[in-house]
Amino acid sequence: GDSVTQMEGPVTLSEEAFLTINCTYTATGYPSLFWYVQYPGEGLQLLLKATKADDKGSNKGFEATYRKETTSFHLEKGSVQVSDSAVYFCALSDHEDDKIIFGKGTRLHILP
Amino acid sequence: SAVISQKPSRDICQRGTSLTIQCQVDSQVTMMFWYRQQPGQSLTLIATANQGSEATYESGFVIDKFPISRPNLTFSTLTVSNMSPEDSSIYLCSVVVSGGGDTQYFGPGTRLTVL
Repeated sequence: GDSVTQMEGPVTLSEEAFLTINCTYTATGYPSLFWYVQYPGEGLQLLLKATKADDKGSNKGFEATYRKETTSFHLEKGSVQVSDSAVYFCALSDHEDDKIIFGKGTRLHILP
Repeated sequence: SAVISQKPSRDICQRGTSLTIQCQVDSQVTMMFWYRQQPGQSLTLIATANQGSEATYESGFVIDKFPISRPNLTFSTLTVSNMSPEDSSIYLCSVVVSGGGDTQYFGPGTRLTVL
């Protein structure tokens, strides 16, 4: 079945460092891909999404490109801030029933 | 997107009791879901809340333990029945907005602690 694999955390970086969180997926069709963020004590917020190959989702300085050839959707940010400290979830939707499959989440901790 | 509210935001309950969580959306949605997030874990889908009919449960979840109602397009409830400490989790509802493709938007969650 469909699945999402993302790098394990926690990831600890200094402020202004470059961030990459790896995400790969397995799907039989052409899923939509998402990154969600969960700040401490809060629910999930949609960070960005891409619906087809080569699409780039972007929001709040974060970017991710839908790479069909490598089945990947890595999250990147050029200069992280302390306020980016959160748990990041990679996810896919296979369009059949609108269900979302989540990765296990990556906890990001940014040091001032 | 959609504005989603959940009540209560958190609760502490005694073993053997039940808690009903409400989810209200400010716009009409096509799909509503309920998830559980155990401490430090990812999200697990409990069920799809179907308007006017019985919810569709995922493997490992049953109606007797997690009865769900969805009387209209914008409101749903999840009850956690006969609670035990293992039910301590964050419970989240999510929606797919009409015309919004397959993107799910999440409520703020209900943090449940069972003693």
